Amino acid sequence: EIVLTQSPATLSLSPGERATLSCGASQSVSNRCLAWYQQKPGLAPRLLIYDASIRATGIPDRFSGSGSGTDFTLTISSLEPEDFAVYHCQQYSTSLWTFGQGTKVEIK
Amino acid sequence: EVQLVESGGGLVQPGGSLRLSCAASGFTFRSYWMHWVRQVPGKGLVWVSRMNSDGSSILYADSVKGRFTISRDNAKNTLYLQMNSLRVEDTAVYYCARRSGSGGWFDSWGQGALVTVSS
Repeated sequence: EIVLTQSPATLSLSPGERATLSCGASQSVSNRCLAWYQQKPGLAPRLLIYDASIRATGIPDRFSGSGSGTDFTLTISSLEPEDFAVYHCQQYSTSLWTFGQGTKVEIK
Repeated sequence: EVQLVESGGGLVQPGGSLRLSCAASGFTFRSYWMHWVRQVPGKGLVWVSRMNSDGSSILYADSVKGRFTISRDNAKNTLYLQMNSLRVEDTAVYYCARRSGSGGWFDSWGQGALVTVSS
């Protein structure tokens, strides 16, 4: 099983600032099979990024993903008020899908 | 519009059973692999089980193997999760999720069903 570790656990930032979220894998994630999801309180996760760097339909270009192997990053270039939420990474390179524990982006 | 609507959650005693349903609409259900993912409130997401499009291939997380059964009725556009021998640690919100037709990510999620296992 690939274990994903997200850091930091909480990111305190102000609107307009840049957010950089990390997702580290215990072993290489083949073919960049990594996705990012956004989740707001009481709601289901929403797909943001797949294949490490491809934005899902309707996702603003302030969201970008990068990385390969064991190190992946989600960047939000300039935080909007609606971006304060929890972000989860997920790998699908093996038949046992795993998620990170989440990073909460909160208003400073 | 793709819609996934879970039902069947509730309060059950340890050792009890519950069956979750996930009604799908807005897409060709029989063409997609479907998954169950759970989340203890305030914690991370945990993958539970998946079934391929025709039901011939199934996988479970070790934590639920032998106790949970995933199934689907493509005629009724519905995914199920039969949960037996429930434990306190199974308490969570259970989401059904659609695997993308192009890769292993989940492109649509239901709103979730809360399962509480408590005496």
